[in-house]
Amino acid sequence: KQEVTQIPAALSVPEGENLVLNCSFTDSAIYNLQWFRQDPGKGLTSLLLIQSSQREQTSGRLNASLDKSSGRSTLYIAASQPGDSATYLCAVSTGTDKLIFGTGTRLQVFP
Amino acid sequence: DVKVTQSSRYLVKRTGEKVFLECVQDMDHENMFWYRQDPGLGLRLIYFSYDVKMKEKGDIPEGYSVSREKKERFSLILESASTNQTSMYLCASGLAGFDEQFFGPGTRLTVL
Repeated sequence: KQEVTQIPAALSVPEGENLVLNCSFTDSAIYNLQWFRQDPGKGLTSLLLIQSSQREQTSGRLNASLDKSSGRSTLYIAASQPGDSATYLCAVSTGTDKLIFGTGTRLQVFP
Repeated sequence: DVKVTQSSRYLVKRTGEKVFLECVQDMDHENMFWYRQDPGLGLRLIYFSYDVKMKEKGDIPEGYSVSREKKERFSLILESASTNQTSMYLCASGLAGFDEQFFGPGTRLTVL
């Protein structure tokens, strides 16, 4: 059974730091991996989607990488800002139209 | 842009009431999903629909039912609400075969 883990569960950094969020999965047979952002009390906003054939995706200050063979993905946030404070979730798909989510990393960026 | 809307942001109901949560998407997606999200447990899939009138149980379907009479609308029904169904409910939609999901803003349900 596929399991998705995100470490750390919480992270607090000063503004301006570059940071890395980690996502690991137990079964490398994934279809794609998606990173989401969730603000308190709100829904999920899709940030990046990486297909299984891709190694990375970039959007602005965000870069997500995927290493299927080791069962890992990282979300790199450059020059963090207080507005980046949120919970970040990763989710993997095994091609069944359903996603399996990690429990998230709660990020706080302080001025 | 894909838009997924949910009928209520906050809802307070009493134990035993019948509760309807509505979700509407405007992108002609075949797939629609209902999740609940609880601290420490993450997102758990309640039900999944892959076409009109078609549904599939998720990981935690007990105490819930769903209805999909039109492609754009997917309803979650709590037949007799209980306090352990207090949670954040999230709806999502996606194209069949693409495994990318788009989420609504969520409904925070409190059952007293």
